[in-house]
Amino acid sequence: DAGVTQSPTHLIKTRGQQVTLRCSPKSGHDTVSWYQQALGQGPQFIFQYYEEEERQRGNFPDRFSGHQFPNYSSELNVNALLLGDSALYLCASSLWVLGPIGAKETQYFGPGTRLLVL
Amino acid sequence: AQKVTQAQTEISVVEKEDVTLDCVYETRDTTYYLFWYKQPPSGELVFLIRRNSFDEQNEISGRYSWNFQKSTSSFNFTITASQVVDSAVYFCALSEAGFGNEKLTFGTGTRLTIIP
Repeated sequence: DAGVTQSPTHLIKTRGQQVTLRCSPKSGHDTVSWYQQALGQGPQFIFQYYEEEERQRGNFPDRFSGHQFPNYSSELNVNALLLGDSALYLCASSLWVLGPIGAKETQYFGPGTRLLVL
Repeated sequence: AQKVTQAQTEISVVEKEDVTLDCVYETRDTTYYLFWYKQPPSGELVFLIRRNSFDEQNEISGRYSWNFQKSTSSFNFTITASQVVDSAVYFCALSEAGFGNEKLTFGTGTRLTIIP
């Protein structure tokens, strides 16, 4: 049973460039969430995709955008890169569940993509 | 707004000692979830436990145990007889109930080092 996979593992870009990160969810999962983790900090929620739509968004500028494909995989795009965008980008997958509190599903994380902006 | 505080930035203990990682949370919701994740040097967040706000039973899983106390808004994590493999950064996280799968709000993490 394959877990969450992300590509690439590492990436180096320069300021002003654009980057695309990719994520394949765990088998059986249909929801993908993206988090940014700066060095020494906890992960910060960027956005979440379900049914190819952005369902929730954290406090990130429009330079951060995403997409979800019919096979549930997802991309995170960042335009006009800034030095401050250097971080570990984590993808998490889960199964979208509606209903009582006991039915909420856990998010499982991938290994992340380390982005360095020079 | 929800918030998670992990006041212990770094902890070092000698192998086989017990260690407790503290987590204090804030939320206006009466229905919420609490999580602990482990992040080894490889970077991947490994899920350890999920608790909902209506279940205050403490849980034990092998050498790991969790103490959830709503009265003090705390969800502490204890490792008994620590091992070198327990060295990692540990994150506590909070998710409010609602439509679908809500975002996780993480604390800043506690770096645990087990000294052989």
